Amino acid sequence: EIVMTQSPATLSVSPGERATLSCRASQSVSSNLAWYQQKPGQAPRLLIYGASTRATGIPARFSGSGSGTAFTLTISSLQSEDFAVYYCQQYDNWHTFGQGTKLEIK
Amino acid sequence: QVQLVESGGGVVQPGRSLRLSCAASGFTFSSYGMHWVRQAPGKGLEWVADVWYDGSNKYYADSVKGRFTISRDNSKNTLYLQMNSLRAEDTAVYYCARDEQGFGELFFDYWGQGTLVTVSS
Repeated sequence: EIVMTQSPATLSVSPGERATLSCRASQSVSSNLAWYQQKPGQAPRLLIYGASTRATGIPARFSGSGSGTAFTLTISSLQSEDFAVYYCQQYDNWHTFGQGTKLEIK
Repeated sequence: QVQLVESGGGVVQPGRSLRLSCAASGFTFSSYGMHWVRQAPGKGLEWVADVWYDGSNKYYADSVKGRFTISRDNSKNTLYLQMNSLRAEDTAVYYCARDEQGFGELFFDYWGQGTLVTVSS
């Protein structure tokens, strides 16, 4: 099983600043990686797939990068609605999720 | 617009069974692979099972293999999860999610709102 590890577990950032979230795979997943956002009491929402392609309707301040085993989700200028939990997911070999990064207001 | 609505959750005793349903609308259900993903209280996401667009192939996480069965009825635009021999560790919100294509091998582009299953005596 491919293990996905996200860091940090919690990230405190001020509105308007940049946030950088990391995700590492225990073995190469090529570019078969997605990012999801989940707010309390809501279902996850797809943000990024193919490591760097924004899903429909996702603002340009969200960007993804990386390939192989190391990936990054960057939110360029944090808005109030961006504070949530973010999960990465690999779909190269079955489906496994990282444990999540909670993005909180500083 | 794409809608996925789960139902069937509730409180059930260990060892008993429960069947979840997911009603789909707003897209051609028979063209897409479908998944169940669960989330234990306060925990992360865990993929449970998926089924191909035509129901011909089904895959399961090791944690539920032999106890859970995923199925679909394309004439009713509905996805199912039959859960048998339930354990306390199956307690979670269960989401149905659409695969981006027909074979259940990619990412989840739409999710339902989830249904809570609590396994407790």
